[in-house]
Formats: sequence, structure tokens, C-alpha cells
Amino acid sequence: NAGVTQTPKFRVLKTGQSMTLLCAQDMNHEYMYWYRQDPGMGLRLIHYSVGEGTTAKGEVPDGYNVSRLKKQNFLLGLESAAPSQTSVYFCASSYWTGTNEQFFGPGTRLTVL
Amino acid sequence: GENVEQHPSTLSVQEGDSAVIKCTYSDSASNYFPWYKQELGKGPQLIIDIRSNVGEKKDQRIAVTLNKTAKHFSLHITETQPEDSAVYFCAARFYQKVTFGTGTKLQVIP
Repeated sequence: NAGVTQTPKFRVLKTGQSMTLLCAQDMNHEYMYWYRQDPGMGLRLIHYSVGEGTTAKGEVPDGYNVSRLKKQNFLLGLESAAPSQTSVYFCASSYWTGTNEQFFGPGTRLTVL
Repeated sequence: GENVEQHPSTLSVQEGDSAVIKCTYSDSASNYFPWYKQELGKGPQLIIDIRSNVGEKKDQRIAVTLNKTAKHFSLHITETQPEDSAVYFCAARFYQKVTFGTGTKLQVIP
């Protein structure tokens, strides 16, 4: 099993450009999450999904959109990138029962110039 | 919403010594408290967790304690080794929402 994978690993954008980050999991997890990690601020939840076709806002959703068209994929979109969105983005997934242990991907480092 | 505070932000210990990281949470409804270890360039990985109906849990050299009344929980690492050097995050969960602390960078000096 590959677990949770993220594409791409690195990306540099100019202000105003758009891009989509892809997260894929092969563990048949119902829940999927997108976090951003900034120095001194830990992990902050952007959006999450409790199942195929559902999405919900997290702590810092502004400037991002998400889609969960297939159970195994969770896409994070930036429509008009801003320097404040420079960060490391992590995707995670979990089952809906039990402890809901989250399994994280390796991260995507995004720089917006 | 939930707020999780974590201290200290950095911690240096000599190899073989113990390390303690402390967290407090605000929402009494939170019922699950995981701890994650993040190595450089990687995503966080669960190392131990505790439910709200348990006061202490141990797994080899690591242990977690929970005080529900005071709303704080702690991670204890004994006999630290250089491979324990990493960033550690505490978290508090209520249903599908998990709130993370700001992280502790642990350095174990050989």
C-alpha cells in the first residue's frame, strides 16, 4: 500500500496564478483532510471531507476550494494564489470509526511569489 | 472552537534523560488526544494516543497522561535517544475535527 500520496511535492507560483494539489489514499478511508503548516503555528485545518461528494470548511478555508469526486481522492484548489498562501500543505485521511487515527501524506511545499 | 496550547516550543535534553511536553485544551467535549512525531521533510506520524476515559497510557519508552479536570495532557519520553529528535505535536479531537498544538522541537544531544 502506498498510503497517502500528494502531488506535486514542490511548486512555485506567481501571485494570481491558480493550481490544484492532489491527494490520493489507498486505505479506503472515509475522512480526508487538508492542512497547512506554517512556522510556529502548527497544523491548521483548511477543509475536510467525511465522504465522497461531501466537503466542509475548517479553521482557515478562505482562498481555497476542495472537491471529493472519488472516495480515494481529495483535491485542494487555489484560484488566485497570494503570498500569504506560501506554506507546506499536508493531506491526511482516516476511518470514521475507532480512534480516527489520521495518516498523513509527505506534504507539498508551495511558494507564491 | 477548540484551542490547544503546547509547551515548550523547543526542548534540548542529553541522551538518556527524560523529556516532557505539555498541552492544554479548552473544549471539555474533546474526547481523544493523539500525539504525532514529525521528522524533517515528512508528514506527522501518530506515536501514541489516549481517550478521555483513560488517565494514562504507556508504550515502551513513551507515555501520555491526561487530566480531564484540568484539561491538560502530557507526553513523557524516557531514556531519550538521538532518533527521538523531531517535532512533536499534541492534538485534541471532537468527532472529525482535530485541533493541533503549535509543536515542540525536541533535540536529543548525544
